[in-house]
Amino acid sequence: DIQMTQSPSTLSASVGDRVTITCRASQSIGTWLAWYQQKPGKAPNLLIYKVSSLESGVPSRFSGSGSGTEFTLTISSLQPDDSATYYCQQYSRSSQGTFGQGTKLEIK
Amino acid sequence: EVQLVESGGGLVQPGGSLRLSCAASGFTLSSHWMSWVRQAPGKGLEWVANIKQDGSEKYYVDSVKGRFTISRDNAKNSLSLQMNSLRAEDMGVYFCARTTYFDLWGQGTLVTVSS
Repeated sequence: DIQMTQSPSTLSASVGDRVTITCRASQSIGTWLAWYQQKPGKAPNLLIYKVSSLESGVPSRFSGSGSGTEFTLTISSLQPDDSATYYCQQYSRSSQGTFGQGTKLEIK
Repeated sequence: EVQLVESGGGLVQPGGSLRLSCAASGFTLSSHWMSWVRQAPGKGLEWVANIKQDGSEKYYVDSVKGRFTISRDNAKNSLSLQMNSLRAEDMGVYFCARTTYFDLWGQGTLVTVSS
């Protein structure tokens, strides 16, 4: 099975900062990677799919990059509303949809 | 409105069974892979199972194989998860989600496994 590892597990940054979260796959997943934002008590919300495609309605300060086994989610200018937990997810095979363990982002 | 609405969660004793349902509206269910994703209290997301558009392929995370069964009724725009032999570690919020990269989620339904 493919394992997904995110780093860091927690992150504290200030409004306006550029923030990067990394996700590594245990084997190549091509470009079949998505990112989600989840706020407490809510369902996750899709931000990015296929590594870098921005879901409709998601602010352009969110971007994704990478291929193969290493991927990043970048928030170009952190906003107060971005305080949440972020998850990567691989979907390279229909037979599994593994998530990373999550990155909790706090605003200083 | 395009939405997914889960139901069927509740309190069940260890070893018991529960059937979750997910009602889809505003889109054609038969066009999409569908999944169940769960989240234990205070923990991360875990993909549980998925099913192909016509139900011909079904996949499960190892920890639920042989205990959970995913199914769908495209005519009724519904997705189900039959959960048998429930364990404490199955406890959490269960979400249904659309397609392989989960572009639409339900609000979740809470499953509590306790004696």
